[in-house]
Amino acid sequence: EADIYQTPRYLVIGTGKKITLECSQTMGHDKMYWYQQDPGMELHLIHYSYGVNSTEKGDLSSESTVSRIRTEHFPLTLESARPSHTSQYLCASSELWDSTDTQYFGPGTRLTVL
Amino acid sequence: AQTVTQSQPEMSVQEAETVTLSCTYDTSESDYYLFWYKQPPSRQMILVIRQEAYKQQNATENRFSVNFQKAAKSFSLKISDSQLGDAAMYFCAYKGQGGSEKLVFGKGTKLTVNP
Repeated sequence: EADIYQTPRYLVIGTGKKITLECSQTMGHDKMYWYQQDPGMELHLIHYSYGVNSTEKGDLSSESTVSRIRTEHFPLTLESARPSHTSQYLCASSELWDSTDTQYFGPGTRLTVL
Repeated sequence: AQTVTQSQPEMSVQEAETVTLSCTYDTSESDYYLFWYKQPPSRQMILVIRQEAYKQQNATENRFSVNFQKAAKSFSLKISDSQLGDAAMYFCAYKGQGGSEKLVFGKGTKLTVNP
């Protein structure tokens, strides 16, 4: 079944550690997105990609970086985690040629930085 | 820039009753798309319903329907025969016609369903 996956689901890590949040999809979608969801539940777009070798910054400035080497894979990396990075991170994907740009979301990763 | 406003941070409904969640948006475009997403406590965001602005007929999906008022820039979600599983955060979202435009989300409405 086509789906979008995120690992890990929960991560608790110390300040200064490098972390990578994984996102993969079997939907065959070209576009992928990373959102940060704050405790008030508001969603902020931090990165997106139109396809392989395409990455763009979103509306919210983020210290994270992303890469898109394979269509189905869109990992997000924090080189040095800080407590301010504590948040829920949601990955999503959509079909490039879908004019509605309907996005489908993964289950999320809840990151806590101590 | 387009904005989406959900004026009800929280709503509650009795099981089997009907509830309407409000959403308004601001845009100068004539063609666009509107969505309602649901995020249950397990936190996976799920598409509930979507509406193309050029369609006058309101979208429906089983117990979920929308009241799309284009002139008023209003896009409310009606949930009929509410069930305990409907309890979630509901997000209204807007997408412009341009291919490079991004989805704009409202801040969400938390729906509680009382047994």
